[in-house]
This record gives sequence, structure tokens and C-alpha cells, in this order.
Amino acid sequence: DGGITQSPKYLFRKEGQNVTLSCEQNLNHDAMYWYRQDPGQGLRLIYYSQIVNDFQKGDIAEGYSVSREKKESFPLTVTSAQKNPTAFYLCASSMERTSSSYNSPLHFGNGTRLTVT
Amino acid sequence: KNEVEQSPQNLTAQEGEFITINCSYSVGISALHWLQQHPGGGIVSLFMLSSGKKKHGRLIATINIQEKHSSLHITASHPRDSAVYICAGRSGNQFYFGTGTSLTVIP
Repeated sequence: DGGITQSPKYLFRKEGQNVTLSCEQNLNHDAMYWYRQDPGQGLRLIYYSQIVNDFQKGDIAEGYSVSREKKESFPLTVTSAQKNPTAFYLCASSMERTSSSYNSPLHFGNGTRLTVT
Repeated sequence: KNEVEQSPQNLTAQEGEFITINCSYSVGISALHWLQQHPGGGIVSLFMLSSGKKKHGRLIATINIQEKHSSLHITASHPRDSAVYICAGRSGNQFYFGTGTSLTVIP
């Protein structure tokens, strides 16, 4: 079955440590996204990538970094510079081949809940 | 002010009731998405629509482009419909998300 796999589901880290969240998709989608979800707020975009070896900052990119070395993989690193990293992180993907594909659905992983103490 | 506003924020219904969740948006969009988030956190895409109406089982989604408004209806609600429902407008590469409507259906 095609889908998006995020791991781990729960992650605990000490303040000051960098941590990397994994996101893998086998949907052959070009575009991948990282969102952060906090209670009472809509999903906020951290980074997105439309093609391998290219990515763009979203609304809240400070303190985060990403890479897109393979089409299937879009890992997110939460660095020690992120002031408030405890949150629920969601990875998503969509097909972005042609102009008409701007109406393609978003597929989400099951998320990673990060707690930093 | 958010680009996408949802109402109500919270909704409790008795099993069998007809439910409506509303979504208004202030940006130009190419499509409106309705998403369902389960208690565990995973999100499933329910509908993607750019005009008119779509139906899937007991779920119906409508959109009025002129009024920049969409509704999600659930007929004959069931406890398994309990979840957070999120609407999102797509504009190019960007998605604008509402804050979600938390639905609880009581047996």
C-alpha cells in the first residue's frame, strides 16, 4: 500500500539537542511538506520541497532544517535554535507534476509528537 | 485574522443527528480540502473540491465560490465520526488551514 511513514511516533529529547524526524513516502509524489500543529492553531508550514535537492522555507522555518536528497525522503531536523520545539509534527505530500495537479490531494503521515524538556 | 475560519470550534451531537461544519476563506484558492484528524493524530483527506458539491457515503461537501464559503455535512452521525475536521484552502503551493472543528458524537 502506498503512503507516508513518519517515525518515530513519540520522541523525547533534552533541551539543547538536535533531533531528526523521519518522513518517507512511496506515492511517487514530487512535493513534500512539513507542518507543525499546536493546540488551538491551524497547521503551520515549516518547509516544503517540490523537487529533489530543492526546498523552500515556510512561515516558521527558524530553528529547523531539511534535506531532500531522494524523492522518497524529506527528513526534518529540529535544532537547538528552535525556541519552543515541543509540538506535533506532520509530514505531507502531493503530486505536483503539471499545472492541473495544483488540485491534487494532500496525503499525511501519522505524525511525530516531540517533547523537549 | 486567519485566511481560513471554521465554525463551530467544538460540536457535540447525539447519534443520528445531521451535522454541519462551516468554513469561510478570505484568499483566492484553486481548491478547498476537507480533512479528518483522528484522536491519534493521523490526518485523512475527505474531499477536495473547487466547485459545487461532492458526496461520499454519509458525508457531503459543498462550496460557494462567490461567497467564499464551504460546508461539510454529516448525515446520520455516528460515534465513529468523532474527530477533528479541518478545512484547508489551496493557493498555488500554499495551503491555508483552519483551526479545526472538534466533533463528538454521543451514542
